[in-house]
Amino acid sequence: QVQLVQSGAEVKKPGSSVKVSCKASGAPSSIYAIAWVRQAPGQGLEWMGRIIPMFPRENYAPMFQGRVTITMDEATGTAYMDLRSLRYEDTAVYYCVTSMGVTDGYSWGSWGRGTLVTVSS
Amino acid sequence: EIVLTQSPVTLSLSPGERATLSCRASQSVRSSYLGWYQQEPGQAPRLLIYGASTRATGIPDRFSGSGSGTDFTLTISRLEPEDFAVYYCHQYDSSPYTFGQGTKLEIK
Repeated sequence: QVQLVQSGAEVKKPGSSVKVSCKASGAPSSIYAIAWVRQAPGQGLEWMGRIIPMFPRENYAPMFQGRVTITMDEATGTAYMDLRSLRYEDTAVYYCVTSMGVTDGYSWGSWGRGTLVTVSS
Repeated sequence: EIVLTQSPVTLSLSPGERATLSCRASQSVRSSYLGWYQQEPGQAPRLLIYGASTRATGIPDRFSGSGSGTDFTLTISRLEPEDFAVYYCHQYDSSPYTFGQGTKLEIK
């Protein structure tokens, strides 16, 4: 199974950008897609978008379109989530998640431990 | 965008009891692309069920999923102390993928 190691917590000012990384190990070549999901304090899960490295193809949730970019460095097995024009309400834990594709029914089974991004002036 | 509505918001039960959690979609979801997660405080979500009814690796058989179309159910046959957590349904059929708002399963 894939293990995902995310970068450390960040504190950012409103209007700035943050780039969170997610390094895959174990079986990185088996990854079909990587997604990012966030969770604001005390709130539920929110899908941000995904990338399918082999094509490559990205899809983003409308509320993040134009403000987020998800990329994948296949040489290092590291995915990145770049969120721009940060607002206070972007304060959340950001998770990377992987899908192994048809072998696991396209389910999203492996999660990183999360990266806390705090937006504060 | 497919909206998933979970009910109840909070479910209070005792260990040993049966739990039934519901997830209703605003439009039809292909069963192959409906999952359930468990999340404990301070932890990442854990995949329990995918394809509406297939248990993920290592998930005990007291967890089962069912349903099709717009109505899906997660059942925990006999609650263990470690099962008290928040549960989310998730559709990955239609982009943007979405989650339900969660059901908190608490000890009565």
